Amino acid sequence: SQKIEQNSEALNIQEGKTATLTCNYTNYSPAYLQWYRQDPGRGPVFLLLIRENEKEKRKERLKVTFDTTLKQSLFHITASQPADSATYLCALSSFSGGYNKLIFGAGTRLAVHP
Amino acid sequence: DAGITQSPRHKVTETGTPVTLRCHQTENHRYMYWYRQDPGHGLRLIHYSYGVKDTDKGEVSDGYSVSRSKTEDFLLTLESATSSQTSVYFCAISESSGGRQETQYFGPGTRLLVL
Repeated sequence: SQKIEQNSEALNIQEGKTATLTCNYTNYSPAYLQWYRQDPGRGPVFLLLIRENEKEKRKERLKVTFDTTLKQSLFHITASQPADSATYLCALSSFSGGYNKLIFGAGTRLAVHP
Repeated sequence: DAGITQSPRHKVTETGTPVTLRCHQTENHRYMYWYRQDPGHGLRLIHYSYGVKDTDKGEVSDGYSVSRSKTEDFLLTLESATSSQTSVYFCAISESSGGRQETQYFGPGTRLLVL
């Protein structure tokens, strides 16, 4: 069956370090993968999209990699700040019924400590 | 929240009663979605719409119905609420890009408690 796995345990890191979050999937062949940020009590907010033919994408302090052989995406936040503390969701595209839909992982909570 | 509002933001209801949640957008986006979010499950798609009066089921559609009579409004109805439908409900929208919708923009969510 199709499955998306993100670390269910919170990731605690020190301010200034690089945070690395993992998204693994099985039995999917997504055309693209996205990362979203979600703060408590709010809806998810789009951060980055990476396509199946792209290895890496960057946006300011964020970097995403996409390895379709390993079926894995890594999400990096460099020079992390306490304001980066949030839950990060990975989402894979799934094409069915003529339309793309997103399948979300359960998310990983990141806590950046001063 | 990208011009998306949800109402109500909080609701407490009793088992067996019908409940309607409203999603309103000012972005004129073609696609609209309803998700529920529960601990350990992440976001799960309930129903989606690809145009006025055009809707389809997602992975957890049982017990829910939707309607879209105008581009800007997408209604989610729990026909007879059950305690298992206690959840946080999110509406999302996306526009069409080359025939493929990609980035989704989410509303603030509705917290529903069914007693």
